[in-house]
Amino acid sequence: ETGVTQSPTHLIKTRGQQVTLRCSSQSGHNTVSWYQQALGQGPQFIFQYYREEENGRGNFPPRFSGLQFPNYSSELNVNALELDDSALYLCASSYQEAGELFFGEGSRLTVL
Amino acid sequence: DQQVKQNSPSLSVQEGRISILNCDYTNSMFDYFLWYKKYPAEGPTFLISISSIKDKNEDGRFTVFLNKSAKHLSLHIVPSQPGDSAVYFCAATPSGAGSYQLTFGKGTKLSVIP
Repeated sequence: ETGVTQSPTHLIKTRGQQVTLRCSSQSGHNTVSWYQQALGQGPQFIFQYYREEENGRGNFPPRFSGLQFPNYSSELNVNALELDDSALYLCASSYQEAGELFFGEGSRLTVL
Repeated sequence: DQQVKQNSPSLSVQEGRISILNCDYTNSMFDYFLWYKKYPAEGPTFLISISSIKDKNEDGRFTVFLNKSAKHLSLHIVPSQPGDSAVYFCAATPSGAGSYQLTFGKGTKLSVIP
């Protein structure tokens, strides 16, 4: 059984740029959630996708957007990057929208 | 406004002794609580959960206690082992939301000393 995989693992961007992070869900899972973990903080819910539709969103501005594909993999896009967007971005998949979350290792984004 | 609080950033315990990690919450809508463990360079992994209809849940060496009136939960690890050294996150969600939108605490770093 393949776990949740995320890419890239590390990346550096400059302020104002755009970034796309990718996530492959665990086999058999149809739901993907994204979390942002800033340094010294707990993960913060960004949004969840269930069957290719957004199914819940946390307190993040519209420049944070996402997609889920028919194979249930997902992308997180962040436009107009700000310094405070520097964080570890965690993807988690689950079977159904209220199922146990299985997290990937995360993508560490640094915005300079 | 932190809705889930873990007031101890770190905890050191001798191997074989009990580790007690604490968590407080403020949102009365939360009725499902989870603990996650995170090793460096890995994603969080689910450890144990408890529903608000219970006050205790056990899984091997791990027990979670829930005090709804105090809005407090704790994770007990007995006996503690060096492999338990990790960051532990408490998380909460309203189960009726239709999706798991977990609110996490800041975490407690547990060090188990051999």
